[in-house]
Amino acid sequence: EIVLTQSPGTLSLSPGERATLSCRTSQRIFSSYLAWYQQKPGQAPRLLIYGTSTRAAGIPDRFSGSGSGTDFTLTISSLEPEDFAVYYCQKYGDSPPKTFGQGTKVELK
Amino acid sequence: QVQLVQSGAEVKNPGSSVKVSCKTSGGTFNIYAINWVRQAPGQGLEWMGGIIPMYGTSSYAQQFQGRVTITADESTTTAYMELSSLRSEDTAIYYCAREGKYCSGSSCPCGYWGQGTPVTVSS
Repeated sequence: EIVLTQSPGTLSLSPGERATLSCRTSQRIFSSYLAWYQQKPGQAPRLLIYGTSTRAAGIPDRFSGSGSGTDFTLTISSLEPEDFAVYYCQKYGDSPPKTFGQGTKVELK
Repeated sequence: QVQLVQSGAEVKNPGSSVKVSCKTSGGTFNIYAINWVRQAPGQGLEWMGGIIPMYGTSSYAQQFQGRVTITADESTTTAYMELSSLRSEDTAIYYCAREGKYCSGSSCPCGYWGQGTPVTVSS
C-alpha cells in the first residue's frame, strides 16, 4: 500500500508570501494520478489540482502543482486571505486504495 | 451540474451499524466511481472505499474490510455506505465524493463532494 507523507504539518505565513507544500509517496506513482484538495473549516474538500499540475476549473493561477515519481509539490505563489486552509494530496487511479496524505495546514502568521 | 446530497446526522450506540446515503443528480451516475471518505474530529481525510455503479463491485481500504459495505442503486442514483460494529473512534464526518471530471482514461480525482454526514458513536 502506498503511503503519502505531507510536509510540513503546519506552515505559518503572511498574505503575499509564497507557500510550498510537499507530498512524498512511498512508491513511484503515475503523475496523472496525483491530486491536491483544499479544505476550509466546516466545508467539504475542494479539488484544486489533478494530474499533478492541472488546475481544476475556477482555480486561480497562483496555485500550481509539480513533481514526478515520488515527490510532488503544491505552490501558492502569493497567499491571499482566502487561501489559509488545510491542503491534502491524494493518489488516485485504477489501483486502490486512493490514499490521502495527512494534510498541511497553512495558517496566518 | 452534478450534485451530491447526503442523509442527515446520526447518533449511534457502540456495536450498532449506520447507513449513510448519497443521492446524486446530474451527469451520468453509473459509469463513474463514488468514493466514501471520512474525517474524524480535528483529523485528516481517510479514504474508506468506493464503487462503480455499473459494475456493482466495491473496493475497500484494508482497515475497513469486513466492517464496511458500499452499494449503489442505479434506479435512484443513490449510493450507500454502511459501517457496522461501530466504536467511538468511528465518530466522524462521512463524505461521499464522485469521480467523473478531469479523467485520465478511467481514473479520475474526486471532483464532486457531498456536504458530509456527521456520525456520532456514543453510549
